[in-house]
Amino acid sequence: GESVGLHLPTLSVQEGDNSIINCAYSNSASDYFIWYKQESGKGPQFIIDIRSNMDKRQGQRVTVLLNKTVKHLSLQIAATQPGDSAVYFCAERDNQFYFGTGTSLTVIP
Amino acid sequence: DTGVSQDPRHKITKRGQNVTFRCDPISEHNRLYWYRQTLGQGPEFLTYFQNEAQLEKSRLLSDRFSAERPKGSFSTLEIQRTEQGDSAMYLCASSFYPGLQETQYFGPGTRLLVL
Repeated sequence: GESVGLHLPTLSVQEGDNSIINCAYSNSASDYFIWYKQESGKGPQFIIDIRSNMDKRQGQRVTVLLNKTVKHLSLQIAATQPGDSAVYFCAERDNQFYFGTGTSLTVIP
Repeated sequence: DTGVSQDPRHKITKRGQNVTFRCDPISEHNRLYWYRQTLGQGPEFLTYFQNEAQLEKSRLLSDRFSAERPKGSFSTLEIQRTEQGDSAMYLCASSFYPGLQETQYFGPGTRLLVL
């Protein structure tokens, strides 16, 4: 099976600070990666994605970095807001999608 | 389009009963995935369809689980003879393939509790 894991299960940040959520993956053949945000009682919500031929992609307040050498993915959230509090999952695609355990982000007002 | 929808949102059943869940994907999406998620874990792949063809099933999937997508649009997931260990959130996602960026969009999930 695949191994998609997160370095930290929980993360607390002050409102306005930047957040960095990390993810390690094990399958070199994975060609596509997605970050999801999941709020309590809801389905995962797409945040940003990146293909394996890229190393950085930016969205609105979010940036995903991919380091294929060390099989590491990170999600950076700029100026974190209380509404960003949720569990964040990374997912990799190798035929099917594999999800990590998730990091719970808490934003302190 | 209102996104992926799932029905019911919640289901409570007694052990041994059969349950069926429905997923309506985004209309132009040809792929549909089913996942199971337990508390504190990420979604776990169960099976997926491309149009009406079921292309892959998880090796961990019990034969009590069956899924269909008869017309390539909505899908149903049935669990027969439910067990307490089946209690989980069942998530459906859809995507358009082929695509280098096969973005999956998830529904709200069906939360199953087996007593």
